[in-house]
Amino acid sequence: SAVISQKPSRDICQRGTSLTIQCQVDSQVTMMFWYRQQPGQSLTLIATANQGSEATYESGFVIDKFPISRPNLTFSTLTVSNMSPEDSSIYLCSVGHIPLEQYFGPGTRLTVT
Amino acid sequence: DQQVKQNSPSLSVQEGRISILNCDYTNSMFDYFLWYKKYPAEGPTFLISISSIKDKNEDGRFTVFLNKSAKHLSLHIVPSQPGDSAVYFCAATDQGGSEKLVFGKGTKLTVNP
Repeated sequence: SAVISQKPSRDICQRGTSLTIQCQVDSQVTMMFWYRQQPGQSLTLIATANQGSEATYESGFVIDKFPISRPNLTFSTLTVSNMSPEDSSIYLCSVGHIPLEQYFGPGTRLTVT
Repeated sequence: DQQVKQNSPSLSVQEGRISILNCDYTNSMFDYFLWYKKYPAEGPTFLISISSIKDKNEDGRFTVFLNKSAKHLSLHIVPSQPGDSAVYFCAATDQGGSEKLVFGKGTKLTVNP
């Protein structure tokens, strides 16, 4: 299994600002994913971060709001831009593993005031 | 439209007894199912999975049952221990398609000593 760390673990931000979340993996992985878990809701996939190419976004999520970088096979960032209180969620990164099992980071708890 | 449903938000059982967590799905293309366990302030941890070619998979105290005709799966924990207290997420994917995980909303299990 992979060891995944995320920074920051939590933050409180003002509306209209942006926050960049970092995800670091202890081994090289092909697939990295970003999820959002809103209060009382399931984990929802935001996008798949591909190394060397643009991220692939799910329906309802756009690059302008959630830009993603994937500079190498062990690191990715997710930025939550122009935040509103509706963006208050837990944001999680995960890495893909055969067969189809994903390993998750500890998450970033974001509160937007 | 929620494709993976966990209709019980919470479940409370006594230590030593059986815990049964249920999950229903609507997408007939799903052919691989996973259960994750999540403690507070941690990311989800992979627990057990099952392919649609099986109807049962067992790993120690954890057994997952799949009823394809009913589009229903369940996770049995026997015997339940206080350390099993966590939120359990059911997830599904189609191996030949997108391979993206679709999660339910989770069931909070409390095992009382």
